[in-house]
Amino acid sequence: QSALTQPASVSGSPGQSITISCTGTSSDVGGYKYVSWYQQHPGKAPKLMIYDVSNRPSGISDRFSGSKSGNTASLTISGLQAEDEADYYCSSYTSSDTLYVFGTGTRVTVL
Amino acid sequence: EVQLVESGGGLVQPGGSLRLSCSASGFTLSNYAMHWVRQVPGKGLEYVSAINNDGTRTYYGVSVKGRFTISRDISKNTLYLQMNSLRDEDTAVYYCVRRLPGTSNFDNWGQGTLVTVSS
Repeated sequence: QSALTQPASVSGSPGQSITISCTGTSSDVGGYKYVSWYQQHPGKAPKLMIYDVSNRPSGISDRFSGSKSGNTASLTISGLQAEDEADYYCSSYTSSDTLYVFGTGTRVTVL
Repeated sequence: EVQLVESGGGLVQPGGSLRLSCSASGFTLSNYAMHWVRQVPGKGLEYVSAINNDGTRTYYGVSVKGRFTISRDISKNTLYLQMNSLRDEDTAVYYCVRRLPGTSNFDNWGQGTLVTVSS
């Protein structure tokens, strides 16, 4: 099972909006509604930001939103803030034996 | 408060074995699917293994299938990962994660335990 494809890095200025893409296949992203997104700061465990494509867990800012079109899922961060600088990973259910697969990860830099 | 605490990591020689434990509190393992996820320092995340909420099905990544075994003890509310025939490439931080069944809601992660495979 190959990892989902994400851009290595995305950057933006405070207050701007950025979008991170996550491209898979019809056997994972395109075939199911089970896409989630995680934020990871250095030395910390990942934190769930979005699940089931577009649902936000309790306590997550509405500046974070998720969507999906075909085999590509997206995470949008609006009103970019300094604390948003982190690594972001997507994840999807997959029909392969592993059950779930992660994306390659994206480093978000706030300029 | 929900808490997941991993233990059992450490230094092991190639070919050796190690058993990781994940002690869960604030919820019952039988109500959630549980996963092990690992991360090579400085690299990305990788799903290692999973067990469904009723304990009847287990799943493994290609790189660990046949070498790792996931299990749980409901009476102790503890998840395990038995790792045999360890290789250099198994060196990573191993996280215990819970998932609400029928969703991709991986809402709680442990702090991780470092496994180093080296001679």
